[in-house]
Amino acid sequence: AQSVTQPDIHITVSEGASLELRCNYSYGATPYLFWYVQSPGQGLQLLLKYFSGDTLVQGIKGFEAEFKRSQSSFNLRKPSVHWSDAAEYFCAVGSTSGGYNKLIFGAGTRLAVHP
Amino acid sequence: EAGVTQSPTHLIKTRGQQATLRCSPISGHTSVYWYQQALGLGLQFLLWYDEGEERNRGNFPPRFSGRQFPNYSSELNVNALELEDSALYLCASSSMGRISTDTQYFGPGTRLTVL
Repeated sequence: AQSVTQPDIHITVSEGASLELRCNYSYGATPYLFWYVQSPGQGLQLLLKYFSGDTLVQGIKGFEAEFKRSQSSFNLRKPSVHWSDAAEYFCAVGSTSGGYNKLIFGAGTRLAVHP
Repeated sequence: EAGVTQSPTHLIKTRGQQATLRCSPISGHTSVYWYQQALGLGLQFLLWYDEGEERNRGNFPPRFSGRQFPNYSSELNVNALELEDSALYLCASSSMGRISTDTQYFGPGTRLTVL
């Protein structure tokens, strides 16, 4: 079955520190992968996506993610975190099997940033 | 360019009533998706509409239904409300209805509370 796992429910980092949020997927075909961010009480904002090609993807707000097929991973990184990055982050895989056209989301990682 | 809009922002109903949620996609987008974000259950795919037709639905009972209008806006109806229907309902739109070449953009959501 297709699934997305985000092993870390909650992460706390200091402002200015580097960040890596983990994402592992299970999907039989070529995955279409996404990272979204959700601020409290808000909808989802797309950070970046991977469809094909270069496995290192650049996104908005200084985020990047690397697709590693051998590890079934699509980890999100940022070299220096800002207090405004505190939010919940969701990794998702696009599923088209069975006539569906939907996103399967991980459970999310809540990021707290210490000043 | 205006993003995906949803109304109302908040909706309070009592058990057994019906709720109607509305979504306007980004101009030019023909596909609309509905997701439920309930506490403890994460983000789950509800419905997909494309070109006025329901293309697929997630694992939800028939009392969750909807439609897409000729202008591509969409309505989600939840009949016979139950307490566990309390959630944030997110609408997303995309331009082509194909994950392989497409991205879903989300609205701010409607918070439904069932008392």
